[in-house]
Amino acid sequence: GQSLEQPSEVTAVEGAIVQINCTYQTSGFYGLSWYQQHDGGAPTFLSYNALDGLEETGRFSSFLSRSDSYGYLLLQELQMKDSASYFCAYYINTDKLIFGTGTRLQVFP
Amino acid sequence: IAGITQAPTSQILAAGRRMTLRCTQDMRHNAMYWYRQDLGLGLRLIHYSNTAGTTGKGEVPDGYSVSRANTDDFPLTLASAVPSQTSVYFCASSDSGRTGSSYNEQFFGPGTRLTVL
Repeated sequence: GQSLEQPSEVTAVEGAIVQINCTYQTSGFYGLSWYQQHDGGAPTFLSYNALDGLEETGRFSSFLSRSDSYGYLLLQELQMKDSASYFCAYYINTDKLIFGTGTRLQVFP
Repeated sequence: IAGITQAPTSQILAAGRRMTLRCTQDMRHNAMYWYRQDLGLGLRLIHYSNTAGTTGKGEVPDGYSVSRANTDDFPLTLASAVPSQTSVYFCASSDSGRTGSSYNEQFFGPGTRLTVL
């Protein structure tokens, strides 16, 4: 079958570092993406990992281990505006993206 | 137009009625997608189109149909709406494959909130 698992909620304080984990199970895998969605808004792309390792984009980094079917999103120097839902999603081919159920991040002052 | 637009923004619909959700993009992306988002279930792919003239089924296609007559437009039709189709619907597009990359960033529209009573 196909599935993704990520925590439903994570809390942290401003300036802290938080890691959102994602494990997946699928028969076809082309890469793992992360999307951010603020309440009432549309999802926006954050990162993509096709190969094992860490990808860094500013305060956000994403990691993938294909052998462990595992990835994570690392958010550093948290800001209040980072409060949002974060979705991991994998490609089962070059076009089909399957989303997890999302992790709600609450950042407190 | 800049990016992806969806219409209507929201709609209340009686069960059994036919409804078409509109989606237009001006980025000349070849691929387009329709998702529904329900509380606690994330986004689920309904239908997709790799290029004008072709469509494919996603995770939850039953009760929905799509067409892709041109590059820019990708309407989603509910032939006979049922209450379980109450959801927020997002259209997305991507420049799939043209750059030779193995991935594609999907750009999402603002969504349509649909309530079926």
